[in-house]
Amino acid sequence: SQTIHQWPATLVQPVGSPLSLECTVEGTSNPNLYWYRQAAGRGLQLLFYSVGIGQISSEVPQNLSASRPQDRQFILSSKKLLLSDSGFYLCAWNRGGYEQYFGPGTRLTVT
Amino acid sequence: QQQVKQSPQSLIVQKGGISIINCAYENTAFDYFPWYQQFPGKGPALLIAIRPDVSEKKEGRFTISFNKSAKQFSLHIMDSQPGDSATYFCAAQDKAAGNKLTFGGGTRVLVKP
Repeated sequence: SQTIHQWPATLVQPVGSPLSLECTVEGTSNPNLYWYRQAAGRGLQLLFYSVGIGQISSEVPQNLSASRPQDRQFILSSKKLLLSDSGFYLCAWNRGGYEQYFGPGTRLTVT
Repeated sequence: QQQVKQSPQSLIVQKGGISIINCAYENTAFDYFPWYQQFPGKGPALLIAIRPDVSEKKEGRFTISFNKSAKQFSLHIMDSQPGDSATYFCAAQDKAAGNKLTFGGGTRVLVKP
């Protein structure tokens, strides 16, 4: 069966510091991978998606970037965090069919 | 531009009652409509989904009704239980566009015992 992992689970970072969130998927190959952000009490906003290694599509211009160094690894980064980057970051995967499955999320608080 | 509109934002229902959540979409390219259930601090979990060639789908106490001409779909939770208390998101997906999901704003459901 497939499993999706995200770490860290929670993170508190000062404004201006760098960020690296990691997502990995087990039990499948060549998945589509997605990063979403959820602000408190709000819906989910798609940030980036990738259909293969090194292929990144950005949905929203912002202070973040994404990379896919390996088939089942997806990384969300920032060089300098802003207060507005706080939120719940969710990684999801899809294997070419319709169903999309989410990871447990990372709670980021920028202070 | 919000392409999927969800209502209500919150609802309270008594145990055993019916919860109804409505969504409307604009993009006719959407070809898959899932519903997700999210508990506080957790990632959303796929609950039930429908394709536009079907008008209704039922799985246990959860039913999706789909009206293609009106570009609307809804989730009905029958015999609501306190354990159903969660936030529910409708979404729409365009398979030809990388399977990207566009989410509604969410509905917080509280089932009172």
